[in-house]
Amino acid sequence: QVQLVQSGAEVKKPGASVKVSCKASGYTFTSYDINWVRQATGQGLEWMGWMNPNSGNTGYAQKFQGRVTMTRNTSISTAYMELSSLRSEDTAVYYCARFCHMITFGGVIVSWFDPWGQGTLVTVSS
Amino acid sequence: EIVMTQSPATLSVSPGERATLSCRASQSVSSNLAWYQQKPGQAPRLLIYGASTRATGIPARFSGSGSGTEFTLTISSLQSEDFAVYYCQQYNNWPPRGTFGQGTKVEIK
Repeated sequence: QVQLVQSGAEVKKPGASVKVSCKASGYTFTSYDINWVRQATGQGLEWMGWMNPNSGNTGYAQKFQGRVTMTRNTSISTAYMELSSLRSEDTAVYYCARFCHMITFGGVIVSWFDPWGQGTLVTVSS
Repeated sequence: EIVMTQSPATLSVSPGERATLSCRASQSVSSNLAWYQQKPGQAPRLLIYGASTRATGIPARFSGSGSGTEFTLTISSLQSEDFAVYYCQQYNNWPPRGTFGQGTKVEIK
């Protein structure tokens, strides 16, 4: 079955960097973009950016520009999200998700995330 | 930037009753809207895409409707496993950008 499996929880000090992995299985890794979404404790979902595993092209939410880098290793069907200059506000669960889309009969492009990884808790604390 | 607004923030419903959740976009997103369910400690799960198409394996009691700026997720007869937080989401195709609503918590009345 289509599955995304993420790396384990991390504890980092302020100013450090963290790199979260997301291993895909059950489909052709290079055929679907991977998006990253985070969720602080008790809060909603926040979109961080996307990566095309085939080309390596990326796009980031303005909030994370300059601090986030999304990469991949196609030989092992794994995507990575690295966040630098960590601060306490970055404490959250980070999710990867496969980006799916289609064109409806009416010519509208509709898109969605499915499936999601199980999430990786990143704790930033001194 | 498109802003997604969900209402209400919390919905108290008895098992077996109908639940109606709303999602409003600050500008038209056509039918490019998805709904997700999230239970405590779990990743979000896709329920609906294209505003009204149920994802694989989603029970028929979940239905989505709307287009443009106003959308609705209806759960026809709430089951115990449906108590969760529900998020709507739109995705701007260019430049690529995803936006989520703030969520609606469906709790037991």
